[in-house]
Amino acid sequence: DTAVSQTPKYLVTQMGNDKSIKCEQNLGHDTMYWYKQDSKKFLKIMFSYNNKELIINETVPNRFSPKSPDKAHLNLHINSLELGDSAVYFCASSQNSGNIQYFGAGTRLSVL
Amino acid sequence: DQQVKQNSPSLSVQEGRISILNCDYTNSMFDYFLWYKKYPAEGPTFLISISSIKDKNEDGRFTVFLNKSAKHLSLHIVPSQPGDSAVYFCAARGDNNNDMRFGAGTRLTVKP
Repeated sequence: DTAVSQTPKYLVTQMGNDKSIKCEQNLGHDTMYWYKQDSKKFLKIMFSYNNKELIINETVPNRFSPKSPDKAHLNLHINSLELGDSAVYFCASSQNSGNIQYFGAGTRLSVL
Repeated sequence: DQQVKQNSPSLSVQEGRISILNCDYTNSMFDYFLWYKKYPAEGPTFLISISSIKDKNEDGRFTVFLNKSAKHLSLHIVPSQPGDSAVYFCAARGDNNNDMRFGAGTRLTVKP
């Protein structure tokens, strides 16, 4: 029973394509996040979202958009993929924007 | 603008000895610090944390020390076990979880 699950685990695609990464959590948490782990291995927060508020890191291009069909899901849509989007993307969740976040296993995106 | 730095990309210790992982931060507004552990092909998992009002927190073999004046924290693992071999991420939180900053990680190898 994976607490935070992401699909797909690997995603290889061409530049210019549009793709989505799905995230689901079964912890009953009300806040979800997307992180990008860049080539230097830093984990950088992209978005945080709960029922009330979407907070976007200002450095994230507007080609990236989170979509939450319900409290247990936060999907990441990426339009017009670029080479620099290649990275590992992690989804996470927490309760009440609490300090401890629970992470998914990551999605390795490769843009060719 | 990396506000959380882990200057040692790797550390190797003998089983049974102490492992000391270090982390430095630059933002004096950070008020909560966490260590996450990551195995290959998995997401980071929470290990231990410390509030800025404390200087030490212990949980079994793991102890985190915080030196606010030096803006430095460290994770001590004693005794180290081969199963502790993983990448350890230091994280610091500002006003809220939207301001969570991660270091680049330190790969710990514990040799039998």
